[in-house]
Amino acid sequence: SYVLTQPPSVSVAPGQTARITCGGNNIGSKSVHWYQQKPGQAPVLVVYDDSDRPSGIPERFSGSNSGNTATLTISRVEAGDEADYYCQVWDSSSDHLEFGGGTKLTVL
Amino acid sequence: QVQLQESGPGLVKPSETLSLTCTVSGGSISSYYWSWIRQPPGKGLEWIGYIYYSGSTNYNPSLKSRVTISVDTSKNQFSLKLSSVTAADTAVYYCAKGAEYYDSSGGRTAWDAFDIWGQGTMVTVSS
Repeated sequence: SYVLTQPPSVSVAPGQTARITCGGNNIGSKSVHWYQQKPGQAPVLVVYDDSDRPSGIPERFSGSNSGNTATLTISRVEAGDEADYYCQVWDSSSDHLEFGGGTKLTVL
Repeated sequence: QVQLQESGPGLVKPSETLSLTCTVSGGSISSYYWSWIRQPPGKGLEWIGYIYYSGSTNYNPSLKSRVTISVDTSKNQFSLKLSSVTAADTAVYYCAKGAEYYDSSGGRTAWDAFDIWGQGTMVTVSS
């Protein structure tokens, strides 16, 4: 199966920039989607296809993907951004879907 | 706006079959991929499988031998059955809708992303 590796935690001060990585073998050749999940809530799609934002998602959320690493970048971090973030891909070689292990973003 | 609602027993005995239904409201179940995803307490997300409105399915290999996902277009519902459950199957179970976005050339993209989720339902496996 295709393995996606995320750091367990990332901490950032309010107003700063948070970068959450998602590592995978040649992940740059895949489309990566990112979800935000707050405690007790269902996940919310914040970035799809590496860098596109669904309607209603602030421009502060952006994504990139190249080589073996995809990155979710959150600019001007706010307290309300504190959540778990998951990356996700479709692995066409095995024909199934994978989630990363998740990263807990803490706003200091 | 499409909304999803999971329903089913919150407690299942070991070795029995877990059965959940997701009701789609505010839109048609046709023309999208529909998935089940679960999350054990304190852990990450695990994709269980999807069904296309036409009935074609794809399951997580780690669960494939125990999973059946079906669709009832007349009721705008799709369902999950997971057999021979153990305590390891205790989790919040979510149903989710495959996204529908289009790239610059008009081609459909991100079908495997989930743009709408149900609120989730906790299922505990215990005697």
